[in-house]
Amino acid sequence: GDSVTQMEGPVTLSEEAFLTINCTYTATGYPSLFWYVQYPGEGLQLLLKATKADDKGSNKGFEATYRKETTSFHLEKGSVQVSDSAVYFCALRSGNTPLVFGKGTRLSVIA
Amino acid sequence: DTAVSQTPKYLVTQMGNDKSIKCEQNLGHDTMYWYKQDSKKFLKIMFSYNNKELIINETVPNRFSPKSPDKAHLNLHINSLELGDSAVYFCASSLTPGGNTIYFGEGSWLTVV
Repeated sequence: GDSVTQMEGPVTLSEEAFLTINCTYTATGYPSLFWYVQYPGEGLQLLLKATKADDKGSNKGFEATYRKETTSFHLEKGSVQVSDSAVYFCALRSGNTPLVFGKGTRLSVIA
Repeated sequence: DTAVSQTPKYLVTQMGNDKSIKCEQNLGHDTMYWYKQDSKKFLKIMFSYNNKELIINETVPNRFSPKSPDKAHLNLHINSLELGDSAVYFCASSLTPGGNTIYFGEGSWLTVV
């Protein structure tokens, strides 16, 4: 079945550092890809998405590019802030199936 | 206005009790879901309804029974609660079963003691 693998956390960075969280997927067909974010004590929020190969999703300074050839959707941000501390989930969806999530990566940004 | 709202946000209850979590969406979506997030933050689909009809039922104990009185509501009832049911339960919705974006509620933190 479909699956998502993302890098194990936790990731700890200093403010203004560059962030990469790796995500790779296995799916039949051509899934849509998502990054969701969960801030401490809160629910899941959609951060960005891409629906076809070579699409780039972006929001709040975060970016991810749908790479079909490497089945990847890595999340990047050029300069993280303390307020970016959260758990980040990579997810995919094929057709009418529900979202399949990765295990989440906890990011802690220190001032 | 909150798009997907669920209540209660926090629930502490004893083993063996029966409890319900309610969910409502005001987005006009046809499809609603329940996800469970365990202590390791792993998220997994439990159920999905489309226009009040059950369309996805993952391997979930019979003690969990979803009910959808109309397409804007999907409630989750849990009988005979066990310690292992402690988790965060997320309600979600999408325009259609294949609708691209799924919107989540804020979660219900259930603790069974």
